[in-house]
Amino acid sequence: ETGVTQSPTHLIKTRGQQVTLRCSSQSGHNTVSWYQQALGQGPQFIFQYYREEENGRGNFPPRFSGLQFPNYSSELNVNALELDDSALYLCASSFAGDTYEQYFGPGTRLTVT
Amino acid sequence: AQSVTQLDSHVSVSEGTPVLLRCNYSSSYSPSLFWYVQHPNKGLQLLLKYTSAATLVKGINGFEAEFKKSETSFHLTKPSAHMSDAAEYFCVVISSSGYSTLTFGKGTMLLVSP
Repeated sequence: ETGVTQSPTHLIKTRGQQVTLRCSSQSGHNTVSWYQQALGQGPQFIFQYYREEENGRGNFPPRFSGLQFPNYSSELNVNALELDDSALYLCASSFAGDTYEQYFGPGTRLTVT
Repeated sequence: AQSVTQLDSHVSVSEGTPVLLRCNYSSSYSPSLFWYVQHPNKGLQLLLKYTSAATLVKGINGFEAEFKKSETSFHLTKPSAHMSDAAEYFCVVISSSGYSTLTFGKGTMLLVSP
């Protein structure tokens, strides 16, 4: 059974640029959630996708967007990067019938300069 | 809205001594609560979960937590700390608003000295 994977591991971008982060769900999981973890903080919910549709969203602006593909992999896109977007971005997959158990990937560390 | 408060940002123990990481919750109904652990450069790992069954929940690596409704607490304990337990621990509540998402506390860094 393959776990949740994320790419890239690290990324450095300049303010104003756009970035795409990728996530492959654990086998058998059809729901993916994205979280932002700023330094010294707990992860904060960005949004969740189920069956390729956004299923819920946290308190993040529209420049944070996502996609889920038929194979349940997912992308997080951030436009017009700001310095405060520097964080660890975590992807978690789960099965819709049991979203209590979310399995996390190792994360992508984004640095905006 | 549901929320959790972790009462200590850092906890230091010696190897072989007990561990206590404190968490209080706020919820308008009986919550589902979790503890996750995050080791450096690794993903978050579920330690244990409470979903309104037994109030004393046993998790992996010898950790356990007790749900106390009267105290709105869900503290994490371990009888004897090991060096490998050094990590950041998050108390988490699940929010059900048509979809289930996790609301994390700010975390407690556990330091274990020899």
